[in-house]
Amino acid sequence: AQKITQTQPGMFVQEKEAVTLDCTYDTSDQSYGLFWYKQPSSGEMIFLIYQGSYDEQNATEGRYSLNFQKARKSANLVISASQLGDSAMYFCAIYSDNNNDMRFGAGTRLTVKP
Amino acid sequence: GAVVSQHPSWVICKSGTSVKIECRSLDFQATTMFWYRQFPKQSLMLMATSNEGSKATYEQGVEKDKFLINHASLTLSTLTVTSAHPEDSSFYICIARKDNEQFFGPGTRLTVL
Repeated sequence: AQKITQTQPGMFVQEKEAVTLDCTYDTSDQSYGLFWYKQPSSGEMIFLIYQGSYDEQNATEGRYSLNFQKARKSANLVISASQLGDSAMYFCAIYSDNNNDMRFGAGTRLTVKP
Repeated sequence: GAVVSQHPSWVICKSGTSVKIECRSLDFQATTMFWYRQFPKQSLMLMATSNEGSKATYEQGVEKDKFLINHASLTLSTLTVTSAHPEDSSFYICIARKDNEQFFGPGTRLTVL
């Protein structure tokens, strides 16, 4: 089964600065998708960004970009120009086409300081 | 479009009772629905994968007889926590999959007294 690892339980960043949240994965599948979600204290999961395993270019969505390094099996999330509202839990997830399942990392709690 | 609802959004029950949680895709047909459990300050743990008309595939360590999953149609999957105990108190989230996208339900907070 595939596995997702987020090694940073907590991160702090100054408002308006950029921050990178780490994510590595382990899968034997050739076809998979990588996702990042934000979970504020209210509990709902908010989709941020997606990277397909066959996508050659790094995904970008507004202030979010995904640094996809396939050979290293990493999919780090970069948030530029941090805002106070970015404070939340962030989860990396992998979907396997072969297994038809989706697994999440342990999460990183991001705190943006004013 | 692509809205997923869960009902109830929260429930409090006595130990030993059964609780049914519904997950509905409101405006699309979901080929697959996933059920997750999230304990406070922890990640989402996959419990089972459910395809319409077939038996759910449970993760290792998840008791099939305790967490009954029924996926009767392409728009509805239900999770029944049978004989609930305080340790079953958690946030239960469903994800409905359509094509290559995943859509989250808002979650159900279960508290067992």
